[in-house]
Amino acid sequence: AQTVTQSQPEMSVQEAETVTLSCTYDTSESNYYLFWYKQPPSRQMILVIRQEAYKQQNATENRFSVNFQKAAKSFSLKISDSQLGDTAMYFCAFMNEFGNEKLTFGTGTRLTIIP
Amino acid sequence: ETGVTQTPRHLVMGMTNKKSLKCEQHLGHNAMYWYKQSAKKPLELMFVYSLEERVENNSVPSRFSPECPNSSHLFLHLHTLQPEDSALYLCASSRGGLGRTEAFFGQGTRLTVV
Repeated sequence: AQTVTQSQPEMSVQEAETVTLSCTYDTSESNYYLFWYKQPPSRQMILVIRQEAYKQQNATENRFSVNFQKAAKSFSLKISDSQLGDTAMYFCAFMNEFGNEKLTFGTGTRLTIIP
Repeated sequence: ETGVTQTPRHLVMGMTNKKSLKCEQHLGHNAMYWYKQSAKKPLELMFVYSLEERVENNSVPSRFSPECPNSSHLFLHLHTLQPEDSALYLCASSRGGLGRTEAFFGQGTRLTVV
């Protein structure tokens, strides 16, 4: 069974600074998908960024980028130039390429951006 | 707006009541999910439907009964719940199968069992 671990329950950073959220996972599969989701106080889970395991290049979406280390099974999220609107819970998630549609989440990191 | 709509947004029910949560998506997705999100606990996957067939049932008590009548709708029928079932229930959908994509979530139903 796949597991996803987020070892930082809470983090805070000053506005405009850079912050990195960590995520590790465990799987015996070679092809899979990894995601970072954001859940603001409004409760809406929103996809931040997506990485396909067979792609070596790290995904980037504007101020958000990942550091995907397949051998280490690590998938960290870097937020540059952090903004107050980045305050939210962040969840790392895993999905197999094949098999059932199970999407497994980590426990989340509560990120607070300080003005 | 993600294209996944959940109703109701809030629900308070007694332990002897029967109620249903509804989820609807018009994204053309063929996989739908129910998750339970409790305070200070990770998201718990409850059920997964792919092509309207249940493919995952994570040892969920029988007082939760899912129904997927078509690829656009997913229900969670509730009966004789316990106070510890109070939580945020999230529905999601994704394009399953080969070339699958990320899941899109609804805004959840905040359930309180009294």
